[in-house]
Order: sequence, then C-alpha cells, then structure tokens
Amino acid sequence: DIQMTQSPSSLSASVGDRLTITCRASQGISNYLAWYQQKPGKVPKLLIYTASTLQSGVPSRFSGSGSGTDFTLTISSLQPEDVATYYCQKYNSAPPAFGQGTKVEIK
Amino acid sequence: EVQLLESGGGLVQPGGSLRLSCVASGFTFSSYAMGWVRQAPGKGLEWVSSISAGGPNTYYADSVKGRFTISRDNSKNTLSLQMNSLRAEDTAVYYCAKTFRLPGGPSLDINAFDFWGQGTMLTVSS
Repeated sequence: DIQMTQSPSSLSASVGDRLTITCRASQGISNYLAWYQQKPGKVPKLLIYTASTLQSGVPSRFSGSGSGTDFTLTISSLQPEDVATYYCQKYNSAPPAFGQGTKVEIK
Repeated sequence: EVQLLESGGGLVQPGGSLRLSCVASGFTFSSYAMGWVRQAPGKGLEWVSSISAGGPNTYYADSVKGRFTISRDNSKNTLSLQMNSLRAEDTAVYYCAKTFRLPGGPSLDINAFDFWGQGTMLTVSS
C-alpha cells in the first residue's frame, strides 16, 4: 500500500506568516491528492482536491501544488482561524490513506 | 443542505459487535460512493471502509478486513457499518463521509470526502 508522510508534524507561526506543509507519497499518485483542515473539536473539512483545486468557499490564502509523489499545502498569510490540524489524503486507489497530520499553532 | 447523521456508537466489550448507521439527506444518496473514517482519541484520521454508489463494490482497511462489513440501502438513504470481533484498538469516533464528485462527472468508488457527519463514538473496553 502507498504510504503518505507529512512534514512537519507540528509548527508554530505568527499571524501573517507564510507557511508550507509537505506531503509525500511512497509511490506516484498523479494528482489524486486532497487536503483537509480539522479545527479542534470539529469535523474535517475538505480544502483542496486534485492537488491544487480549491473547494468552494475556501479562502484564497490556501493553495496546493504538486504531482506524482510530492505535494505542498501553502497558507499565504496565516490567520488565527487557521489554527487546526491539516491532513493530506491520496485517493488514486484503495486504500485512500491519510497522512499523519500537521498541527498548526499561532506563535 | 447535505446532512449526514450517524448513530449506533456506544460501549462494547472486546469481542462484541455493533452496527453503526448514517442517514443522509440533502443530496441524491444513490449517486455517490460513501465511506467511513475513524479517529482514535488524540490521533489522526484513518480510513476504514468505502462502498460504491450502487453498492456492489466494497473496500476495507487491512485493520478491519474480515471483521467489518459496509452496506447501504439506497431506498432509505442509509449507510451502515457492521462491526464484529471488536478490539480495544477500534475505539474511535467514526465518521460517515460522502465522496466528492465533479458536476457531471462519474461517481468514483475511491475519492476525496467533501461532507462529513458529526461522528459517533465507539468505545471497546471491558
């Protein structure tokens, strides 16, 4: 099975900072990659699909890129409401595995 | 408005069984593959199982294969997960999730999840 590895596992940044989260697949998955945001105590929310397409209603400060095995989620200007854990998920085939998550906090 | 309402969670002894249900509304249930994703306390997301829109195709994580059975009743807009031989490591919040589908596009059995229920808690403990 393809494994998904995120880095870092956690990070602390200041409001307004640009931050990048990386997701790496153990084998190529084309662009079948999604990103989710899970705020504390809340249900996961789909942010990005097909590696770079923003889901409707998601702020434009979020962006995704990558193809094959290496992907990134970028927040261009971190806001207090972005405090959450972010997960990548591959869905090219079963099992649609998730990365282990990246916890984002405000410094 | 899409709504997914899970039920059936609770406290079960190791080796026991339980059935989770998810009632869907606000979309054409029979046109979308569905899935179950779980989250152990303080841990990350783990995909458990998925089922195709029409129901014949099912998929399972290795950790639950042979113990869990996913099913759906499109006439009742209901997704179910029958869980047998439960173990302590099955303790988690179980989310019912709807797969994403591009307008006019095909329903893919394995896909991202664009709507999630609020979850139902399963605790396996003696």
